[in-house]
Amino acid sequence: GEQVEQLPSSLIVQEGASVLINCSYTDSASVYFPWYKQEPGKRLQFIIDIRSNMERKQNQRLTLLFDKKTKHLSLHITATQPGDSAIYFCSASMRSRGYNKLTFGKGTVLLVSP
Amino acid sequence: ETAVFQTPNYHVTQVGNEVSFNCKQTLGHDTMYWYKQDSKKLLKIMFSYNNKQLIVNETVPRRFSPQSSDKAHLNLRIKSVEPEDSAVYLCASSFRTGGNERLFFGHGTKLSVL
Repeated sequence: GEQVEQLPSSLIVQEGASVLINCSYTDSASVYFPWYKQEPGKRLQFIIDIRSNMERKQNQRLTLLFDKKTKHLSLHITATQPGDSAIYFCSASMRSRGYNKLTFGKGTVLLVSP
Repeated sequence: ETAVFQTPNYHVTQVGNEVSFNCKQTLGHDTMYWYKQDSKKLLKIMFSYNNKQLIVNETVPRRFSPQSSDKAHLNLRIKSVEPEDSAVYLCASSFRTGGNERLFFGHGTKLSVL
């Protein structure tokens, strides 16, 4: 089945820095890639997504790049703030047995210090 | 408030007991999910219901059973809990689209099995 890998597993940066979270997947049948964020004590929350027919998507300080050939995604966060401290999950969705199966990566823990 | 609501927040029980978790969504979605998040934050789909019909039943032990009374409610019952069932159980909902499902999650129910 689909496997989603994320690197790094954790990241510590100072406020204002930019960060890059990498994600790779294995199954070329995956066509939709949503990312979620889990802040301490808060619910898992959708932040940005991209479909396999796109190469780039931006949402304010978040930029998501997608390379279909290498099966690789990267999430770029600029001007980080302490409120960005969270676990970031990459996921890949594919059609399987009549439904859209979502596979999550293990997450990247981001800590932004003031 | 429109969201996904889970009860209880925490549950501590002993091996062999039966537990039941509730989930309700007020977002008007037609699909609901149960995910298990383990101590390493790994997320795995367990069940998914679309309009009260089971559409996903990943390989989970038979002691787990989902229960849906209508499309806004999806409960999870665990008959005879085991120590490895200790985890956070996340309920989510979405519209069933052509592959762009954005999930909305509840806060989770943390289960500790002694």
